[in-house]
Amino acid sequence: RKEVEQDPGPFNVPEGATVAFNCTYSNSASQSFFWYRQDCRKEPKLLMSVYSSGNEDGRFTAQLNRASQYISLLIRDSKLSDSATYLCVVNPLGNQFYFGTGTSLTVIP
Amino acid sequence: SAVISQKPSRDICQRGTSLTIQCQVDSQVTMMFWYRQQPGQSLTLIATANQGSEATYESGFVIDKFPISRPNLTFSTLTVSNMSPEDSSIYLCSVEDYTYNEQFFGPGTRLTVL
Repeated sequence: RKEVEQDPGPFNVPEGATVAFNCTYSNSASQSFFWYRQDCRKEPKLLMSVYSSGNEDGRFTAQLNRASQYISLLIRDSKLSDSATYLCVVNPLGNQFYFGTGTSLTVIP
Repeated sequence: SAVISQKPSRDICQRGTSLTIQCQVDSQVTMMFWYRQQPGQSLTLIATANQGSEATYESGFVIDKFPISRPNLTFSTLTVSNMSPEDSSIYLCSVEDYTYNEQFFGPGTRLTVL
């Protein structure tokens, strides 16, 4: 079983829409969780960390459900510039980071 | 945040040859990581490069194929040896900011093996 699993999409949504991505992880002892964004032909960059209590950064909301071992990312009022691949990342033991395969989002005018 | 550069940014190589990729960080870091991202796939950790000791390789990756050097706390190299078309991929180095538990990535090296 993979450490991290994501729906690869693609998600094609109109501007202004709300879109949600989910990700599941296999190691129940995992402590750190992140969402990274990767633009085409670019390196991944941290979008936001995911805290147990959930956290929000502008139009982006990340949530963690430890009981079900999943992480979610909600994007409200989608912008064209949100088009990218979103990677779910889990850091189980403080050493290696495990990356999901990524969810592709295209925001359409 | 760390600033990471990689050279070359891209290369096209013939099978059977080797390519060495360089990674330079603007600050001293204990561990550097080398990842591979094959087309349409996510990142796979190849190895962790520790200064002053042998690199630690992940399952499926061996030193003979991917020798790594770590001569100091700001620099590392990854060599892709005896290349085949299956090695065509993006190779990324990264470092971890332990204060914020965040990984920073270099811009990547896009390798195509003919």
